[in-house]
Amino acid sequence: DAMVIQNPRYQVTQFGKPVTLSCSQTLNHNVMYWYQQKSSQAPKLLFHYYDKDFNNEADTPDNFQSRRPNTSFCFLDIRSPGLGDAAMYLCATSRGISNQPQHFGDGTRLSIL
Amino acid sequence: GENVEQHPSTLSVQEGDSAVIKCTYSDSASNYFPWYKQELGKRPQLIIDIRSNVGEKKDQRIAVTLNKTAKHFSLHITETQPEDSAVYFCAVVGGTSYGKLTFGQGTILTVHP
Repeated sequence: DAMVIQNPRYQVTQFGKPVTLSCSQTLNHNVMYWYQQKSSQAPKLLFHYYDKDFNNEADTPDNFQSRRPNTSFCFLDIRSPGLGDAAMYLCATSRGISNQPQHFGDGTRLSIL
Repeated sequence: GENVEQHPSTLSVQEGDSAVIKCTYSDSASNYFPWYKQELGKRPQLIIDIRSNVGEKKDQRIAVTLNKTAKHFSLHITETQPEDSAVYFCAVVGGTSYGKLTFGQGTILTVHP
């Protein structure tokens, strides 16, 4: 059974139209991560939550925001998507912050029209 | 920050041969080294990991070796099969970038029947 679940699997939005991607987990892990992966590249960390503490990567654009209303759910909000934001967005979880395996969801592929 | 170099970028082998992928890292305080396999359009899947207090770890046909002095680690796949074909990413966690997975650039492995 999937333990990190992302919805939807495919999302199409218009240029500049806000979009929200969701992630849920059944592992009860403390940490949830959002990665952006473009074609033929490695995943790039956008931000992570350790419980309710939000940690933004220095080079994550302001256009990207995140919410974690409870342990199980985490959302990625893109306020004004540009063509360069088309990518696979991966959610991951881990039990702790230090040397713990990260478990990935199947991802949401975002297309911008 | 951490810098991870992965080689080769592509690797082509015949079924039954061995495959070796190497990664080097820059932060000597790094302490966790996972390897992920990603098939086309799918999530990264953790296949093996090693912590800094261990020099080698094996799981059936897959092994990882770590040389902390030289700051490099390698993935070894023996008796390769066509279903091993995928992109493989090394990653590093710990040190000054605790909790953050810094990925290598990826290796496209093709196993020919």
